[in-house]
Amino acid sequence: EIVLTQSPGTLSLSPGEGATLSCRASQSVTSNNLAWYQQRPGQAPRLLIYGASSRATGIPDRFSGRGSGTDFTFTISRLEPEDFAVYYCQQYGSSPWTFGQGTKVDIK
Amino acid sequence: QVQLQESGPGLVKPSQTLSLTCTVSGDSISSGGYYWSWIRQHPGKGLEWIGYIYYSGSTYYNPSLKSRVTISVDTSKNQFSLKLNSVTAADTAVYYCAREGLVAPFDPWGQGTLVTVSS
Repeated sequence: EIVLTQSPGTLSLSPGEGATLSCRASQSVTSNNLAWYQQRPGQAPRLLIYGASSRATGIPDRFSGRGSGTDFTFTISRLEPEDFAVYYCQQYGSSPWTFGQGTKVDIK
Repeated sequence: QVQLQESGPGLVKPSQTLSLTCTVSGDSISSGGYYWSWIRQHPGKGLEWIGYIYYSGSTYYNPSLKSRVTISVDTSKNQFSLKLNSVTAADTAVYYCAREGLVAPFDPWGQGTLVTVSS
């Protein structure tokens, strides 16, 4: 199975700052089938990015993703108060589908 | 829009079977084009995909749980269900149901339901 390793574990930032999160796969992700989710406390994950770089419906353009193969990056250009949450990457290219362990973006 | 809602007991005794149902609204499971999945999240931890079912009844399970998992579908009720047998405290988690495209991520998700395994 593909192991996804996210870094950093926690990112402490202020509103208005930019955030860059990393997701590294133990082997190449088929067809760049990699997604990013946001999970706020007490809520279910919400899809933000699919196909490594495509925004899901209704997702603001301050969220973006890039990467291919084994290295992927997720960026929030300017943090809004509602963006402080945990972010997970997930690969759906090779079964079993797997998730990274998450990066928490908290308020500095 | 599509909505999913989990239901089932919040407390299960060790060695017994965990049973949950996901009711889908705003989409028909029998229309095809999607897999219907279960995912769990241990308290304060990451996410683990359990398996999926297609409207035809074909299934695929995570090998780590395959020996204990059964997912079934009832298209007449627009529901799909999860059974996990021989549970232990390690199965305590929030269980989510979700829709996934044939080569696509999970979207949307249900709100999740906490299942605690304890005597």
